[in-house]
Amino acid sequence: QKEVEQNSGPLSVPEGAIASLNCTYSDRVSQSFFWYRQYSGKSPELIMSIYSNGDKEDGRFTAQLNKASQYVSLLIRDSQPSDSATYLCAVNFLPGSARQLTFGSGTQLTVLP
Amino acid sequence: DVKVTQSSRYLVKRTGEKVFLECVQDMDHENMFWYRQDPGLGLRLIYFSYDVKMKEKGDIPEGYSVSREKKERFSLILESASTNQTSMYLCASSGSGIASYNEQFFGPGTRLTVL
Repeated sequence: QKEVEQNSGPLSVPEGAIASLNCTYSDRVSQSFFWYRQYSGKSPELIMSIYSNGDKEDGRFTAQLNKASQYVSLLIRDSQPSDSATYLCAVNFLPGSARQLTFGSGTQLTVLP
Repeated sequence: DVKVTQSSRYLVKRTGEKVFLECVQDMDHENMFWYRQDPGLGLRLIYFSYDVKMKEKGDIPEGYSVSREKKERFSLILESASTNQTSMYLCASSGSGIASYNEQFFGPGTRLTVL
């Protein structure tokens, strides 16, 4: 079992809908959680960070963390075609090197005009 | 804003050549990382460094070495390039301390082709 798992997709949603991306992680002590957006041929771009249980909102993006259930999700409201990308979930596990992140394999999102 | 730059966007080398990939960050970050990304395999950590002249192996260090002589610069070296090292190489950096929570910021990537 991978330490960070994501549904690879592709996930397709119509423009204006809510896109929901999910990530589960293994039963290890974890400190921080991140969502990265990666356009085709480009490098990952950090879009959300979350450190405690609950929701964190930033514009059209909401990250949700549930440590008891070991999942973190990303909601994109009012999805736009420009949101079409691969979304990577990353987790900072402890112990071990506190500086490393473990990445999921990514979910490919397509927003249909 | 954090800026991480990489020396080349595209690079074509021949088998057996020595290849240098350079990464520079301007945010005084302590930690720097080299990954490779391949279709179906995701991001894989090659090496990282948490201080000048310090380095630690990641998940796939074989065939690679690194150098960190200055805090802002982290170099990845392919001693003798092979075709299976054709990949997208990504550099990242992060700060230390509680405020950073280990957020990593990526450079634009170098697409290396070994013929």
